[in-house]
Amino acid sequence: KNQVEQSPQSLIILEGKNCTLQCNYTVSPFSNLRWYKQDTGRGPVSLTIMTFSENTKSNGRYTATLDADTKQSSLHITASQLSDSASYICVVSATGTASKLTFGTGTRLQVTL
Amino acid sequence: GAVVSQHPSRVICKSGTSVKIECRSLDFQATTMFWYRQFPKKSLMLMATSNEGSKATYEQGVEKDKFLINHASLTLSTLTVTSAHPEDSSFYICSATRTSGIGNEQFFGPGTRLTVL
Repeated sequence: KNQVEQSPQSLIILEGKNCTLQCNYTVSPFSNLRWYKQDTGRGPVSLTIMTFSENTKSNGRYTATLDADTKQSSLHITASQLSDSASYICVVSATGTASKLTFGTGTRLQVTL
Repeated sequence: GAVVSQHPSRVICKSGTSVKIECRSLDFQATTMFWYRQFPKKSLMLMATSNEGSKATYEQGVEKDKFLINHASLTLSTLTVTSAHPEDSSFYICSATRTSGIGNEQFFGPGTRLTVL
């Protein structure tokens, strides 16, 4: 069964600090992995998308890594801002599944003063 | 590019009425659209896959007569919640698929908050 697990479930950090979110998956055959940011009451917004051959991808203060051998990914947020408070969802796509995605349960990040 | 809109963003209705939610891809054509449901503090749950010009494919446990999906054009899919009840209250999100160099990429709408009284 395809599964995506994220940790931690929730996280509180001070503004300006860095943090790293983790994602482990068992989706096979692997196509790509995406990180989304979802603000409360809004739809998910794509941060990064990585295929099998990519190890790292950055989008501003967000840097995602992918280890296809261990089936792990991380999302590193640098110099956090209050606006980074949101849920971060790891989503994995398998090939040949008509674009069906396997969603992680998300990490709820709260950035405080 | 790749903007997906939903309308309405928020709707409150009485029990027993039907509610229609629209999902539009504004700047690209989407042969496939997906409808999700999300409960508070939970991840998105796929309800159905909608293909233009054909019947939607529903996930196990989702009542097709309860959640009517129409995908009449390459830019519009609608979800109608028929005879809504309080347990149908939820956050409904659609996504539209666009083919790119990395395959099919999904772009999500902003969601529709449905409250059934």
